[in-house]
Amino acid sequence: GQQVMQIPQYQHVQEGEDFTTYCNSSTTLSNIQWYKQRPGGHPVFLIQLVKSGEVKKQKRLTFQFGEAKKNSSLHITATQTTDVGTYFCAGETSYDKVIFGPGTSLSVIP
Amino acid sequence: NAGVTQTPKFQVLKTGQSMTLQCAQDMNHNSMYWYRQDPGMGLRLIYYSASEGTTDKGEVPNGYNVSRLNKREFSLRLESAAPSQTSVYFCASSRQRVYEQYFGPGTRLTVT
Repeated sequence: GQQVMQIPQYQHVQEGEDFTTYCNSSTTLSNIQWYKQRPGGHPVFLIQLVKSGEVKKQKRLTFQFGEAKKNSSLHITATQTTDVGTYFCAGETSYDKVIFGPGTSLSVIP
Repeated sequence: NAGVTQTPKFQVLKTGQSMTLQCAQDMNHNSMYWYRQDPGMGLRLIYYSASEGTTDKGEVPNGYNVSRLNKREFSLRLESAAPSQTSVYFCASSRQRVYEQYFGPGTRLTVT
């Protein structure tokens, strides 16, 4: 079946280092969404990308949608302790379904 | 504006007991969802309701039933709880089926 994968599963960084998580789909996506879940919390919507090759920025976060619309990335510049959490991508498939990836858990060492 | 609310926040059940998880949203959203979250598994869709009056199975529907009571409310029922249903359950809603989703605070369920 259709799958959305994310790598890495876990990432530990020193505060101030950069962080990137990658999202890959087995099929072409109509759009991709990114969510953040703080420890003990619930997922919170961050952004949606729709166009092939689209790049969007939110302060220190840069989101990219691949040219083939089968992959996406989230890059955080100069991580802070407030960035700790699990980042999920969710892709909309051609069958009008949204599939969540398993998430990347980010730890930031002060 | 409360967003998405869920009750209860915590629940402990014995194997075989039944219970209903309640979810309500005040954003006038058409679509609502139930997910379960287990360590390392991400969010797995149990059931969803694309619009009032319709419900459909998601990825892991076995052992669960749902009711879309009205546009605001979407409940999840466990008829005979099993230890494998120990999980954190999230309800979510969205304006339409593939728009961004807004999640409730979750229910932590333990089945012994």
